[in-house]
Amino acid sequence: DAGVIQSPRHEVTEMGQEVTLRCKPISGHDYLFWYRQTMMRGLELLIYFNNNVPIDDSGMPEDRFSAKMPNASFSNLKIQPSEPRDSAVYFCASSTTSRNTEAFFGQGTRLTVV
Amino acid sequence: GESVGLHLPTLSVQEGDNSIINCAYSNSASDYFIWYKQESGKGPQFIIDIRSNMDKRQGQRVTVLLNKTVKHLSLQIAATQPGDSAVYFCAENRAGGTSYGKLTFGQGTILTVHP
Repeated sequence: DAGVIQSPRHEVTEMGQEVTLRCKPISGHDYLFWYRQTMMRGLELLIYFNNNVPIDDSGMPEDRFSAKMPNASFSNLKIQPSEPRDSAVYFCASSTTSRNTEAFFGQGTRLTVV
Repeated sequence: GESVGLHLPTLSVQEGDNSIINCAYSNSASDYFIWYKQESGKGPQFIIDIRSNMDKRQGQRVTVLLNKTVKHLSLQIAATQPGDSAVYFCAENRAGGTSYGKLTFGQGTILTVHP
C-alpha cells in the first residue's frame, strides 16, 4: 500500500476562496483523522471518522470548516471562506480498530491563505 | 506584530547518550498512551504505546514508563543516534465511551542529537 495519500501537497489561495483538501486512507483502515498543525497551537485534532461516520467534530474551528467521508477510500476537508489564520499544515491519518493507537499519517497539505 | 508560538521543550544530547523525554497528561480516562516521532517535513510516526493498566513497556531501543499517580509519561531512548533528532509527541487514545478511538496529541519536545 502507498500509505495515506493527501492532495495537494501545497496550496496557496486568496482570502475568501474555498479550499478543498483531500485524503485517501490506507485500504482496510476504518478510522480516519484530520489534524491541523501550527506553531501557535501545535497538532490539533479537528475531526475523526469511524466507518465513514463522524464521531467527534468538536475540534472543528467554526462553521467555515466541514469534512466529509463519502466512502471508505476518500475524505475531504473544506474551508469556505478561507482566512489567513487558516494557514497551517493539515494532516490526514488512518488506523484500524485492532491497532487504533498506531495511526498512519499522510505527508500533509501546507495551506497558505494570503 | 510578531506572533508568539509554542515554546516547545528542547533536549540536546550527544550521540550515544541515553535520552529521556517527558510528558504530563490530564485525562485519566485514556486507555492508551502513545509516543510519536515527527521528522522535519513529515507526518508523525508511531513509536510505541502502553496500555493504562501497565507501567512499563520496552521496544527496540525505546522504553515507555507510565506513572498514573502523577499522570506522567516518559520515553527513554537508548544510545541516541543523529537519526533520532525530531519532535516527539505523547498522545492519548480512548478505547470506549462516547469518543472511542479519539487520538489526541500533546505539545511535543524537540530532541537534537549532536554527533
